[in-house]
Amino acid sequence: DTEVTQTPKHLVMGMTNKKSLKCEQHMGHRAMYWYKQKAKKPPELMFVYSYEKLSINESVPSRFSPECPNSSLLNLHLHALQPEDSALYLCASSQVRRSNEKLFFGSGTQLSVL
Amino acid sequence: KNEVEQSPQNLTAQEGEFITINCSYSVGISALHWLQQHPGGGIVSLFMLSSGKKKHGRLIATINIQEKHSSLHITASHPRDSAVYICAVNGNEKLTFGTGTRLTIIP
Repeated sequence: DTEVTQTPKHLVMGMTNKKSLKCEQHMGHRAMYWYKQKAKKPPELMFVYSYEKLSINESVPSRFSPECPNSSLLNLHLHALQPEDSALYLCASSQVRRSNEKLFFGSGTQLSVL
Repeated sequence: KNEVEQSPQNLTAQEGEFITINCSYSVGISALHWLQQHPGGGIVSLFMLSSGKKKHGRLIATINIQEKHSSLHITASHPRDSAVYICAVNGNEKLTFGTGTRLTIIP
């Protein structure tokens, strides 16, 4: 199994809603990542988890709250988002958090905030 | 100036043509990735290079560390190769992405 699975594929939410994005991998990878991608732009790193501990937070607003409950799962909890947060949210994983590791990406969650 | 520059930004070609996409970077790296992103989102890792050349099917990737330059070649291009191709470099345990090359192959 070489897949990173993200759910849901599409999400529409209001600014007062609370929702969660989910990411799952069963490759035994110990590093997991959240990226945000606006249309026609490259992905921007949001968070990195290494061995289930948050190791990088790229100054992301607190309305985004990551969680890594175990080595296979990564969640992104969303609350009080703004319309400018509408984007494609990509999850990725790698064997470990090391600079020459291959990244495996999920197919993303397309988020629209109304 | 971006740390990772790709050219061209857009490329349209006829089916069967030989395609070259270029990537130049200005930072020290431990590895360079070529990624493919189809409309609708998902990113597929095509190659990870730290030196030399790699080949997978019709795709070839090369890197010249001294010149800080990499190329992705597609032989016998096909409409299903239409996608955005992204170069990304690993430096300081962080990936820096290029802005991508949008490739369209016309039947």
